[in-house]
Amino acid sequence: AQSVTQPDIHITVSEGASLELRCNYSYGATPYLFWYVQSPGQGLQLLLKYFSGDTLVQGIKGFEAEFKRSQSSFNLRKPSVHWSDAAEYFCAVGASGGSYIPTFGRGTSLIVHP
Amino acid sequence: GAGVSQTPSNKVTEKGKYVELRCDPISGHTALYWYRQSLGQGPEFLIYFQGTGAADDSGLPNDRFFAVRPEGSVSTLKIQRTERGDSAVYLCASSGRDSNIQYFGAGTRLSVL
Repeated sequence: AQSVTQPDIHITVSEGASLELRCNYSYGATPYLFWYVQSPGQGLQLLLKYFSGDTLVQGIKGFEAEFKRSQSSFNLRKPSVHWSDAAEYFCAVGASGGSYIPTFGRGTSLIVHP
Repeated sequence: GAGVSQTPSNKVTEKGKYVELRCDPISGHTALYWYRQSLGQGPEFLIYFQGTGAADDSGLPNDRFFAVRPEGSVSTLKIQRTERGDSAVYLCASSGRDSNIQYFGAGTRLSVL
């Protein structure tokens, strides 16, 4: 069975600073990997996804993530954080094939200081 | 509408009561998913429909939970004899045929008093 670990419950950064949110997964084959963002009272919005190919994936809102098979990681990065990026971020892993039901991590709450 | 719609947005009920939560997926999406998100946690899978049938209901916690999708579009999650531990945000998502990308609704916040 697949699983996801997001080791940081909270991350605090200053506006304009760079950001990296960590995600480690466990899955026996090549996984499908996702990052979602959830603002208060909102549903989850897909930021980016990795299925195959280039291991550096570009997403919306200036986010990117890099798939590192050797480290079983899929960390999310942004070079310069905006106050509007404050939200909850979820990493998810899905089986490569079948029903595409993802398993989500517990989330990392991003706090942005002015 | 253009997105996944869930109603009501908030539901307060008393322990032991029956509740129904509705999900209206994106038009044309054949797959529909229900998740439960407890405070401070990520979404947990409950049930997945492909068309009208439940293709995977392995995430339903017990037989008090049931979901239907009679016409392959709108789905209703039904919870009988609610318990305080059922309090959570219930999320619905839909996706197109053979798609790995799910689009989420804003959720229904269920509070069982």
